[in-house]
Amino acid sequence: GAVVSQHPSRVICKSGTSVKIECRSLDFQATTMFWYRQFPKQSLMLMATSNEGSKATYEQGVEKDKFLINHASLTLSTLTVTSAHPEDSSFYICSASSGQGVQTQYFGPGTRLLVL
Amino acid sequence: AQTVTQSQPEMSVQEAETVTLSCTYDTSESDYYLFWYKQPPSRQMILVIRQEAYKQQNATENRFSVNFQKAAKSFSLKISDSQLGDAAMYFCAYKGYGGATNKLIFGTGTLLAVQP
Repeated sequence: GAVVSQHPSRVICKSGTSVKIECRSLDFQATTMFWYRQFPKQSLMLMATSNEGSKATYEQGVEKDKFLINHASLTLSTLTVTSAHPEDSSFYICSASSGQGVQTQYFGPGTRLLVL
Repeated sequence: AQTVTQSQPEMSVQEAETVTLSCTYDTSESDYYLFWYKQPPSRQMILVIRQEAYKQQNATENRFSVNFQKAAKSFSLKISDSQLGDAAMYFCAYKGYGGATNKLIFGTGTLLAVQP
């Protein structure tokens, strides 16, 4: 149980284009989803927290107009990197929590984004 | 603000031996959760073990166990009978009690190598 999928697993795009990453909880309803960014050999950096049906809460320093987050259902959240630039190249990871009990976060496999 | 410290950037263990990874944290809360996550080279974050602070008994999951010292704010992970598949980055994480939107606070990670 507690499986989270992410799509695509890797994407290469040209500078100036937008990229959408999907995060799905496959076997539970995720009241809350989180989006992280991870640089090589570093820990995870939380970008934003999203609750189903409401606006995402962004961490300080994260541009909400650049990283658009939508959490339209209890099983799906999307992160859109708008007008991507080479500095946006990174590993993006989502996690989902059911909001029940310990509220453990379960992580997706991540998306490697390369902006040329 | 809560902080999590992992003082061992790298550790090494012989196959079949036991290794302990250190984690300390700082918080003024009395109720919280602690987690160990594993990130192998695939970069998929995998939950290893979790501990609820109100529980005095140390959590155990097969070969993985923790030594939770609440007064000392210490939460170490012991891996027994180490296997090659245990080689990964290990992150200690803290989560406050009382809401799915509470963030995970991660340590900087410990890279574990397992020698055959």
